[in-house]
Amino acid sequence: EPEVTQTPSHQVTQMGQEVILRCVPISNHLYFYWYRQILGQKVEFLVSFYNNEISEKSEIFDDQFSVERPDGSNFTLKIRSTKLEDSAMYFCASCLSLNNSPLHFGNGTRLTVT
Amino acid sequence: AQSVTQLGSHVSVSEGALVLLRCNYSSSVPPYLFWYVQYPNQGLQLLLKYTTGATLVKGINGFEAEFKKSETSFHLTKPSAHMSDAAEYFCAVIRRGVQGGKLIFGQGTELSVKP
Repeated sequence: EPEVTQTPSHQVTQMGQEVILRCVPISNHLYFYWYRQILGQKVEFLVSFYNNEISEKSEIFDDQFSVERPDGSNFTLKIRSTKLEDSAMYFCASCLSLNNSPLHFGNGTRLTVT
Repeated sequence: AQSVTQLGSHVSVSEGALVLLRCNYSSSVPPYLFWYVQYPNQGLQLLLKYTTGATLVKGINGFEAEFKKSETSFHLTKPSAHMSDAAEYFCAVIRRGVQGGKLIFGQGTELSVKP
């Protein structure tokens, strides 16, 4: 069964550094998402992406965050200048359509900011 | 605004015992409802969903959940727990009419299964 893949599984970075989290959604899916889960807290929506543009973003997704689909397969989340509070598990997700297809999640990237 | 509450951040049951994980939602219009499971070091896997039709829905691994509009609940059950059921379980909602998109998650319930 096709799956969403995320790399790396664990990323450690120093505060202030830029980090790029990578995702390969399921190949025929059209809608892409990033969620995050701070340790011990809820899974929170960050951003949705469709037709090469952001369709919705949360309050968390400020100017330090950006997303990109640089080619036909990858979907990336960039954090320009990481803060300690960005430490979390970041999940990528995709779906084929909004009406009949639930989200498929990747295994996540654990980001640790020191 | 929609919200989801899962009662109990940690539930422990013995192998073979009934599993009951509670989920209540708040929404002006009954949403679509989902249960996801997260095994250690893995992503979120869809267990089951309710959109329309029969209010008792069956999912993978012997789990089922019942949508009760009057109680705004969508509790997850399994008659007999197995050691492999140990994981974190998340209830989630999305506005009616879509299944993909911005999910609102509960805080999760960690299920432990004792031998």
